[in-house]
Amino acid sequence: NAGVTQTPKFRVLKTGQSMTLLCAQDMNHEYMYWYRQDPGMGLRLIHYSVGEGTTAKGEVPDGYNVSRLKKQNFLLGLESAAPSQTSVYFCASSYTRSGLQPQHFGDGTRLSIL
Amino acid sequence: DAKTTQPNSMESNEEEPVHLPCNHSTISGTDYIHWYRQLPSQGPEYVIHGLTSNVNNRMASLAIAEDRKSSTLILHRATLRDAAVYYCSPSSGGGADGLTFGKGTHLIIQP
Repeated sequence: NAGVTQTPKFRVLKTGQSMTLLCAQDMNHEYMYWYRQDPGMGLRLIHYSVGEGTTAKGEVPDGYNVSRLKKQNFLLGLESAAPSQTSVYFCASSYTRSGLQPQHFGDGTRLSIL
Repeated sequence: DAKTTQPNSMESNEEEPVHLPCNHSTISGTDYIHWYRQLPSQGPEYVIHGLTSNVNNRMASLAIAEDRKSSTLILHRATLRDAAVYYCSPSSGGGADGLTFGKGTHLIIQP
């Protein structure tokens, strides 16, 4: 079972460049999430989606945009990358609100901004 | 948002029980308590969650204090594969029950 797949796994960008991180899930989950994980800061929610065509801001949304055009895909975009966005990015999905169901995570995208 | 406090690290011997504590004194009455673990270079993996009663599954047990201000994850017989960073998270840490992990507990298993 593929579960949650993130692409790419690694990327190095220069300040000011743009890129899109792709998250795909094959479990027919309604809810999808993007997190970033930094040393000493734990896991923080960037944006989330409660269904196809919907998106909402999480705890740290500035500098990021998202889209959920198809139920199985959740895209995270950086329009103008900054060194402060160097992090490991995780995508997750769940069938319902995670208070009732667990979240399934991908293996992450390691992003460095020079 | 509910904040959590966990020990930075714990050490145990293989095949012995492990009790991992978490304090979440500001948890609201409707928050579930979730536990996840993370191996190096992997995404977090769900372990267990509960609301008020103690919970058991094939991976672990979750003991929740009567006042819900703390919980303990119990691994009944630790194996080397249980060495990981363990995180507890109340479910309302972010939007739509997004999770919020602190630094977690680094569990070391000695053979």
